[in-house]
Amino acid sequence: EAGVAQSPRYKIIEKRQSVAFWCNPISGHATLYWYQQILGQGPKLLIQFQNNGVVDDSQLPKDRFSAERLKGVDSTLKIQPAKLEDSAVYLCASSPSGAGYNSPLHFGNGTRLTVT
Amino acid sequence: GQQVMQIPQYQHVQEGEDFTTYCNSSTTLSNIQWYKQRPGGHPVFLIQLVKSGEVKKQKRLTFQFGEAKKNSSLHITATQTTDVGTYFCAGPPSGSRLTFGEGTQLTVNP
Repeated sequence: EAGVAQSPRYKIIEKRQSVAFWCNPISGHATLYWYQQILGQGPKLLIQFQNNGVVDDSQLPKDRFSAERLKGVDSTLKIQPAKLEDSAVYLCASSPSGAGYNSPLHFGNGTRLTVT
Repeated sequence: GQQVMQIPQYQHVQEGEDFTTYCNSSTTLSNIQWYKQRPGGHPVFLIQLVKSGEVKKQKRLTFQFGEAKKNSSLHITATQTTDVGTYFCAGPPSGSRLTFGEGTQLTVNP
């Protein structure tokens, strides 16, 4: 099966600019996650979707971050305006439907964001 | 807040030596998952443990889930250079979101 697709792989922007990341999960996976991984740390959940509904966005900095999954398939994560501390790898992951918090995650290759 | 702690943060071994990383949670976990992230790569799922006291093996890797379901360990016997990477545990404390530990970075000297 095809894996989780993410683009772009790398992005360099200046602070206060905006940026968007795209993710296409594994076919048939209803649950989609966006994680932020700062260098040397474990992935931190930003938002979780079940189909096109938000399950958990409690750790998403909503003043600058937004995410959508309009048709319950692919998703975009946006940052506007970016800050220096947003420099990180943004990982998208998916898991089969109905699995809640017990299902293993399939990660994409991630987007490495550098904010200067 | 609910946390999943891992130790050690770094481990350097000679090829052929054993390696162990430990994972501890402040609350009971419904399950524990282990992932491996190669340098420059993304986390890849290794295994999931669900039952109290469960032990699972994958070739040279042995995974354990504590009796109280608050701790876990990953043991690698006779490390190889292909084992290099960061090993993460992750668990959902009491029905909360899946929380990753900070990882143990393993380097193997040939």
